[in-house]
Amino acid sequence: KQEVTQIPAALSVPEGENLVLNCSFTDSAIYNLQWFRQDPGKGLTSLLLIQSSQREQTSGRLNASLDKSSGRSTLYIAASQPGDSATYLCAVRSGGGADGLTFGKGTHLIIQP
Amino acid sequence: DAGVIQSPRHEVTEMGQEVTLRCKPISGHNSLFWYRQTMMRGLELLIYFNNNVPIDDSGMPEDRFSAKMPNASFSTLKIQPSEPRDSAVYFCASKPGTANNQPQHFGDGTRLSIL
Repeated sequence: KQEVTQIPAALSVPEGENLVLNCSFTDSAIYNLQWFRQDPGKGLTSLLLIQSSQREQTSGRLNASLDKSSGRSTLYIAASQPGDSATYLCAVRSGGGADGLTFGKGTHLIIQP
Repeated sequence: DAGVIQSPRHEVTEMGQEVTLRCKPISGHNSLFWYRQTMMRGLELLIYFNNNVPIDDSGMPEDRFSAKMPNASFSTLKIQPSEPRDSAVYFCASKPGTANNQPQHFGDGTRLSIL
């Protein structure tokens, strides 16, 4: 059974810093990996999707990498801003034809002004 | 563009009552997912549909839970009878087909409290 772990569970940094969020998964047979952002009381917003054949994806100040063989992904946030404060969730679509996602428990990020 | 629409946003009811959660996926999306989020277990997939057909319901916790998708623009998740441990945020998500490069789009969720 696929398990997804995110480290750290919480992170607080001053504005302007670059930071890295980590995600690991136990079964490397995945179709894709997604990073989501969740704001309090809201649903999830998809940030980046990396297909299993890809190594990284970039969107603005965000860069996500994928090392499928080692079961790891990182989300890099450059020049962090207070508006980046949210919970960041990593999710994988595992192999075997299933289309549902397995989620980590998230990293709660606070950017201090 | 309208996103995934869920109703109600909040539901508070007493244990033993029937609860029905509703979801309208994004138009043109033919895959629909129901998830449940709790502090202890995080986000868990309950069931998903493709072209209105349930594909995988292995995440449905027990027979008290049922889900239907009578047409491409509407799905329900029903709990009968409800119990306090069912209290959680329930999310609906949709995506256009099963391709690997398509992300899931989530609604804002229904916060369910069973007293």
